[in-house]
Amino acid sequence: AQTVTQSQPEMSVQEAETVTLSCTYDTSENNYYLFWYKQPPSRQMILVIRQEAYKQQNATENRFSVNFQKAAKSFSLKISDSQLGDTAMYFCALNTDKLIFGTGTRLQVFP
Amino acid sequence: DTAVSQTPKYLVTQMGNDKSIKCEQNLGHDTMYWYKQDSKKFLKIMFSYNNKELIINETVPNRFSPKSPDKAHLNLHINSLELGDSAVYFCASSQDTSRKFYEQYFGPGTRLTVT
Repeated sequence: AQTVTQSQPEMSVQEAETVTLSCTYDTSENNYYLFWYKQPPSRQMILVIRQEAYKQQNATENRFSVNFQKAAKSFSLKISDSQLGDTAMYFCALNTDKLIFGTGTRLQVFP
Repeated sequence: DTAVSQTPKYLVTQMGNDKSIKCEQNLGHDTMYWYKQDSKKFLKIMFSYNNKELIINETVPNRFSPKSPDKAHLNLHINSLELGDSAVYFCASSQDTSRKFYEQYFGPGTRLTVT
């Protein structure tokens, strides 16, 4: 069975600082993809970043980057230069034959 | 232009009623999904359709019946609503379910409240 675990229910960070959100997963598949989605108070689900399991290079999208450790089945999200607009729920997700979400981390960015 | 739209955005109804939520995507995608997000924000897939064919049917009560009249539309009908059905329901679409790389585009969600 596929599982995704986010062990930090809530995190907070000061504006302009860096924060890392943790995610671990479990799957017996070799071909899979990992995603981080953001859900702000508006409720809209927005893709932040994606990672292909067969690529060793960590994905980066502007201020967002991941630390993908395939052997450890770890997929953490680093947000640099945090902004107030980054305040949201962040969901880690694993796609094998379907998209499976973690329980989410609520991130609060303080001025 | 809205990529994935859902109607209604809010739905308040009484136990025992039957209701429908409609979803449309204008992205030309082949695959559409329904997800349920409970009060603790946990998101779980319910159904997936590829080109109008049901391909994922999770353990969901029979009272929930999806219908896809064409590949741009996926509706969710719920019979005999129960208090536990209260949740936010998200529709999503992606280019091809066999390509796991493709992101899923989500609609704005429908908050269903059963009283």
